[in-house]
Amino acid sequence: QKEVEQNSGPLSVPEGAIASLNCTYSDRGSQSFFWYRQYSGKSPELIMFIYSNGDKEDGRFTAQLNKASQYVSLLIRDSQPSDSATYLCAVKEGYQKVTFGIGTKLQVIP
Amino acid sequence: NAGVMQNPRHLVRRRGQEARLRCSPMKGHSHVYWYRQLPEEGLKFMVYLQKENIIDESGMPKERFSAEFPKEGPSILRIQQVVRGDSAAYFCASSSGPRGEAFFGQGTRLTVV
Repeated sequence: QKEVEQNSGPLSVPEGAIASLNCTYSDRGSQSFFWYRQYSGKSPELIMFIYSNGDKEDGRFTAQLNKASQYVSLLIRDSQPSDSATYLCAVKEGYQKVTFGIGTKLQVIP
Repeated sequence: NAGVMQNPRHLVRRRGQEARLRCSPMKGHSHVYWYRQLPEEGLKFMVYLQKENIIDESGMPKERFSAEFPKEGPSILRIQQVVRGDSAAYFCASSSGPRGEAFFGQGTRLTVV
């Protein structure tokens, strides 16, 4: 059974701080890694994807991938109250389903 | 450039009726995924389809649920003889290929009364 593990939180950070969200996965064959943001009552929104080891930056977001440790993380710099949401980690291998973690609820305190 | 379109957005069915949920993938996308989500819970995988093929239906209940993605037209998730436990948000996502990023539609909120 392929699994994606996340701490459900809530993770509380003050406004302007760095939020660090973590995720581990069980399937070493996973090739594609995604972070989604989901506001309450809304659909998941893709915010980052990464395929290779290392860091990938996009604005205030940085995704980090370490395949040897089977670990993916998302850093959000200069956190804003509007970043308060649930962040879903997802992994995929080829012709297989996208497997999601339970999601980490982030609260940015003004 | 339309995104993933799901309809209807809200659907109310009486127990025993059929529910049909539609998903039109993004232009150029041929892979479709269906997920179910209960309030305050995670996304539960249901089925993964490519045009005219079911790739993975391991998350589909054995009875009452079926899905298709024909050569022409949207993907359909069909729930026969709905029960109250089927009430949930049903999300569809699509991707351009097996490794591509998956984008979600707005979801269909099914309520069984």
